[in-house]
Amino acid sequence: AQSVTQLDSQVPVFEEAPVELRCNYSSSVSVYLFWYVQYPNQGLQLLLKYLSGSTLVESINGFEAEFNKSQTSFHLRKPSVHISDTAEYFCAVSEGANFGNEKLTFGTGTRLTIIP
Amino acid sequence: GAGVSQSPRYKVAKRGQDVALRCDPISGHVSLFWYQQALGQGPEFLTYFQNEAQLDKSGLPSDRFFAERPEGSVSTLKIQRTQQEDSAVYLCASSQRTSGTHNEQFFGPGTRLTVL
Repeated sequence: AQSVTQLDSQVPVFEEAPVELRCNYSSSVSVYLFWYVQYPNQGLQLLLKYLSGSTLVESINGFEAEFNKSQTSFHLRKPSVHISDTAEYFCAVSEGANFGNEKLTFGTGTRLTIIP
Repeated sequence: GAGVSQSPRYKVAKRGQDVALRCDPISGHVSLFWYQQALGQGPEFLTYFQNEAQLDKSGLPSDRFFAERPEGSVSTLKIQRTQQEDSAVYLCASSQRTSGTHNEQFFGPGTRLTVL
């Protein structure tokens, strides 16, 4: 069975400072990895994903994550955060499509709060 | 609308009542997922449909939970004899089914169920 661990439930960061949100996973097979973001009063949105190829993936708003197979990690980073990045961030894994069933296993989430 | 919609957005039920939660997926999406998100937790998989076929219901917590998608489009999650531990946000997601790659799941805004 697959599982995801997000050790930090809350991360306060000053505006324009860098941030790293940690994610570790466990699985007996190869996985696909995802970061989802949930802005206040909005639904879950896909931020970025790792399926294959380059282990460093980027989003359109400056976030990046690196897949590290040996450490079973997929940490999310941003070099300079903005007030608008305030949200809940969820790491998730999928073991691929079993009869099209690409169900996701989520971590417990990290609440990122940007301090002006 | 272009996104996944869910209704009602909020539901308050007395313990023991039956509830029905509706999901309208994106038109043409073959795959539909239900997740349960308890307070302070990440979403947890409940069940998966491919068109009208329910291919995985391994996440349903008890036989009081029932889901259907009779025409392969709209889906309903029904909870019978609700209990306080059923209080959560119920999320619906849909995706296309393209072989050879992982298909992004698009999430609805959720239905917040409170059982008194």
